Amino acid sequence: NAGVTQTPKFRVLKTGQSMTLLCAQDMNHEYMYWYRQDPGMGLRLIHYSVGEGTTAKGEVPDGYNVSRLKKQNFLLGLESAAPSQTSVYFCASRPRTSGSYEQYFGPGTRLTVT
Amino acid sequence: AQSVSQHNHHVILSEAASLELGCNYSYGGTVNLFWYVQYPGQHLQLLLKYFSGDPLVKGIKGFEAEFIKSKFSFNMRKPSVQWSDTAEYFCAVNADFNKFYFGSGTKLNVKP
Repeated sequence: NAGVTQTPKFRVLKTGQSMTLLCAQDMNHEYMYWYRQDPGMGLRLIHYSVGEGTTAKGEVPDGYNVSRLKKQNFLLGLESAAPSQTSVYFCASRPRTSGSYEQYFGPGTRLTVT
Repeated sequence: AQSVSQHNHHVILSEAASLELGCNYSYGGTVNLFWYVQYPGQHLQLLLKYFSGDPLVKGIKGFEAEFIKSKFSFNMRKPSVQWSDTAEYFCAVNADFNKFYFGSGTKLNVKP
């Protein structure tokens, strides 16, 4: 099993450009999450999904959109990138199994917006 | 909003020294608690978890953590650190079903 994978690993954008980050998991997990990690602030939840076709806002959703068209994929979109979105983005997933709150994380995508 | 506080941002220890990292959270209801570790260049991995029962939980590599409900704390300890423990450690709280809150992290450097 590859676990949770993220594409791309690195990206540099100019202000105003758009891009999509892809998260894929092969563990058949129902729940998926997108976080951003900034120095001194830990991880903050952007959006999450409890199943195919459903998404919900997290702690810092502004400027981002997400889609979950397939159970194994969770896409994070930036329609008009801003320097404030320079960050490391992590995707995570977990199963719906009762009592299982452990999240499995991907390797991260380092995004720089100039 | 919920918050998770990690008191030490950067800790430097020599091998064989003891480690204690503090974590406090603000949520007053039932919580699930975690410690994650991020080794250099790697993704986050679960180190310890507490859901219910014995408030002292043991994880991998000799790490343990204690949940003290009255203090809203979930501090982590290791009696004797190794150079390979050099990493960043994050405390996390699950306060609502799908809401996870992370602390700002503690970078641990262990000198050989």
